[in-house]
Amino acid sequence: DAKTTQPTSMDCAEGRAANLPCNHSTISGNEYVYWYRQIHSQGPQYIIHGLKNNETNEMASLIITEDRKSSTLILPHATLRDTAVYYCIVTYYGQNFVFGPGTRLSVLP
Amino acid sequence: EPEVTQTPSHQVTQMGQEVILRCVPISNHLYFYWYRQILGQKVEFLVSFYNNEISEKSEIFDDQFSVERPDGSNFTLKIRSTKLEDSAMYFCASSDRGLLGGASSEAFFGQGTRLTVV
Repeated sequence: DAKTTQPTSMDCAEGRAANLPCNHSTISGNEYVYWYRQIHSQGPQYIIHGLKNNETNEMASLIITEDRKSSTLILPHATLRDTAVYYCIVTYYGQNFVFGPGTRLSVLP
Repeated sequence: EPEVTQTPSHQVTQMGQEVILRCVPISNHLYFYWYRQILGQKVEFLVSFYNNEISEKSEIFDDQFSVERPDGSNFTLKIRSTKLEDSAMYFCASSDRGLLGGASSEAFFGQGTRLTVV
């Protein structure tokens, strides 16, 4: 079973920041937090991952709380193409991702 | 940008037939995976493969399934005798590092093969 809890769905206005929360209260010290997304039935697309520090790349930012029990994925300027299911995954060394149901993000014009 | 490629994009087969799904992982990657997604359901892990052997498999990956890396570039999933419930999207993924100590690595997924068993 997935070790994370995410809201089932969220809406975001186009051009605004999308903040997607994830709870992972049972995360252990060596486990990473990964975010993937799936647009329609395409293959999951890697977004970002981190261990305990906040991370930023060209797609998104990842904010991990100090106790590591939760995190937030931030898409700074959401576009219609960001409409997708977003998965928060906790795993050792990026192995054998266990996907939960994710959050269905709808970016609205 | 390097990508994982899967063929065919769509496969229709009769129940009881064998199918082979093909994947070409990213060239310098060493870890390979198969996942599946039944329509409307979660993405499910099937198997991981490293150094020419299975490193982990799920309960779904029973004796009807097998994986192989027949040459330096392809990674295949074989289903020996397909059942109706095998109908799903099958995704291949690869990563360059896995359990090597310390650092983690992202896995890159292909666009999938839609298997329809009739």
